[in-house]
Amino acid sequence: QKEVEQDPGPLSVPEGAIVSLNCTYSNSAFQYFMWYRQYSRKGPELLMYTYSSGNKEDGRFTAQVDKSSKYISLFIRDSQPSDSATYLCAMKSTDKLIFGTGTRLQVFP
Amino acid sequence: DVKVTQSSRYLVKRTGEKVFLECVQDMDHENMFWYRQDPGLGLRLIYFSYDVKMKEKGDIPEGYSVSREKKERFSLILESASTNQTSMYLCASSLHQTGGTEQYFGPGTRLTVT
Repeated sequence: QKEVEQDPGPLSVPEGAIVSLNCTYSNSAFQYFMWYRQYSRKGPELLMYTYSSGNKEDGRFTAQVDKSSKYISLFIRDSQPSDSATYLCAMKSTDKLIFGTGTRLQVFP
Repeated sequence: DVKVTQSSRYLVKRTGEKVFLECVQDMDHENMFWYRQDPGLGLRLIYFSYDVKMKEKGDIPEGYSVSREKKERFSLILESASTNQTSMYLCASSLHQTGGTEQYFGPGTRLTVT
């Protein structure tokens, strides 16, 4: 079993939709949780990170962590075609990050 | 803006060749990392470094070595390239005090070994 599981998609939604991206994990020692966005032919860029359980909001993006269920989510409100990318969750274990495989999101006009 | 640059975007090498991938960051970050990214497997850590001349093995170091002679530069070396090393290689850097959580990535080098 992988330490971090993420549905690869692709997820295709119309512009304006609310998008929910999710990851599950098995290691209860993870304390930091991150979401990276990767556009085609580019390196990943950090979108959001959170330390504790609960919600963290940044503009149209909300990161949610449920440590009791070992489940994290990223919600995108009012999705735009420019949000089309691969979204990678990542979690910190001791001194390195463990990444999910990424979910490809396509937002069509 | 943090900038992480990688020496090549695309590289084609033959089996058995020695390959050097270079990474440079301009933000005085202590930590630097090399990953490879493959479909269905995500990002896997090859090596990382906390300081000049220091290196630590990641999850898949076999067949690779690294060099960090200057703080801003971290090189990945494939001693004898093989076809199973065909992949996208990503370099990243971070400040020491973030504990590696906020990593800044370069654009990647797509390496093909024939």
